[in-house]
Amino acid sequence: DQQVKQNSPSLSVQEGRISILNCDYTNSMFDYFLWYKKYPAEGPTFLISISSIKDKNEDGRFTVFLNKSAKHLSLHIVPSQPGDSAVYFCAASTWGAAGGTSYGKLTFGQGTILTVHP
Amino acid sequence: EAGVAQSPRYKIIEKRQSVAFWCNPISGHATLYWYQQILGQGPKLLIQFQNNGVVDDSQLPKDRFSAERLKGVDSTLKIQPAKLEDSAVYLCASSFFNGNEQFFGPGTRLTVL
Repeated sequence: DQQVKQNSPSLSVQEGRISILNCDYTNSMFDYFLWYKKYPAEGPTFLISISSIKDKNEDGRFTVFLNKSAKHLSLHIVPSQPGDSAVYFCAASTWGAAGGTSYGKLTFGQGTILTVHP
Repeated sequence: EAGVAQSPRYKIIEKRQSVAFWCNPISGHATLYWYQQILGQGPKLLIQFQNNGVVDDSQLPKDRFSAERLKGVDSTLKIQPAKLEDSAVYLCASSFFNGNEQFFGPGTRLTVL
């Protein structure tokens, strides 16, 4: 039962172009979504997040879009740079759920390998 | 600010042996998590501590895995005995109490032969 899915194992883009990474979820209780970036031999690092009360959050070159009706979110990177090459994980939590015993628990997708070519 | 520290970084053992991993979270972070990441998959939560109490261990294979967080700071995760399918990267993360952003350590790569 995979509640968070990233259906594209890999994505290859040219430097300067837009990278779009997609993520789908099934649990309607999820109310907070995050993207993490992971380089080889390192732990994931937080990139950007969005609450379910918003449909867009922007931070520099990174924008996350949330479509609650479709249970879909996407990460846009514009312009893409070779240093963005990494594995990107989508994660979701029930942060705002009242009485939750798993406060802050993250459920991750499988990850998408992004390669940005110079 | 120092990040989440984990040791060892790599460990190779034979099946049925025991192994332990250590994690030191970011100072002041009350919540500590252990994740298992199998190759090609996303991290999966094994156990979550709030200070030194367990909040969630629903996905921890308790017949062979154990974890403790004495004094609400450092934590150890133990596997005894190890199986081939335990080969994975074990990630430790921490966050402020009720914080939604988790900070991850570099992980320990375990290979079970």
